[in-house]
Amino acid sequence: DAGVIQSPRHEVTEMGQEVTLRCKPISGHNSLFWYRQTMMRGLELLIYFNNNVPIDDSGMPEDRFSAKMPNASFSTLKIQPSEPRDSAVYFCASSLRSLRGQVEAFFGQGTRLTVV
Amino acid sequence: AQTVTQSQPEMSVQEAETVTLSCTYDTSESDYYLFWYKQPPSRQMILVIRQEAYKQQNATENRFSVNFQKAAKSFSLKISDSQLGDAAMYFCASPSSNTGKLIFGQGTTLQVKP
Repeated sequence: DAGVIQSPRHEVTEMGQEVTLRCKPISGHNSLFWYRQTMMRGLELLIYFNNNVPIDDSGMPEDRFSAKMPNASFSTLKIQPSEPRDSAVYFCASSLRSLRGQVEAFFGQGTRLTVV
Repeated sequence: AQTVTQSQPEMSVQEAETVTLSCTYDTSESDYYLFWYKQPPSRQMILVIRQEAYKQQNATENRFSVNFQKAAKSFSLKISDSQLGDAAMYFCASPSSNTGKLIFGQGTTLQVKP
């Protein structure tokens, strides 16, 4: 397996534009996480899916952010409209959740988003 | 709110010496896994070590080991014989609730001095 694949690796966009980040989790994993990393706030969990269903989206900053997981092999995180304060590195991670919890979260390479 | 706390924003260690990074967590789960991740400047998140909470024995991976105190909800990482390549930011992670949500501490930046 190629691991968790995120695209794009880098994105520079103008304020007000729509941004879509993409993630392909590891085959067979049933959990998917979107995290945002900034110097000020560290690694924040934005949303967590289990079996393609959003379980916890309490970390989504505001209505400008939305995430979908239409099937087990694909997820998107969309920001519309984007703002400069959204500039960060966004990570997608996938995991296998067993009866004893998340076995291990594998991370993608991250998307560095810059909103100017 | 359930949290993961790393109280040391920065640590430094001399090459070949031993360093311990601390982490405390709060979870309502009864069975769970705990993790330490390493993030070098390349920003890739790399799993260092995993502890199964239902096991009493502390996990060990080569030069990396943990001191797991379940009752105290403490999960520290010990790095022995530190190497220059160990310099990175280290994050501990814990499940936050019985939903399986995985959250991370604020991270500890480790500097290794030659």
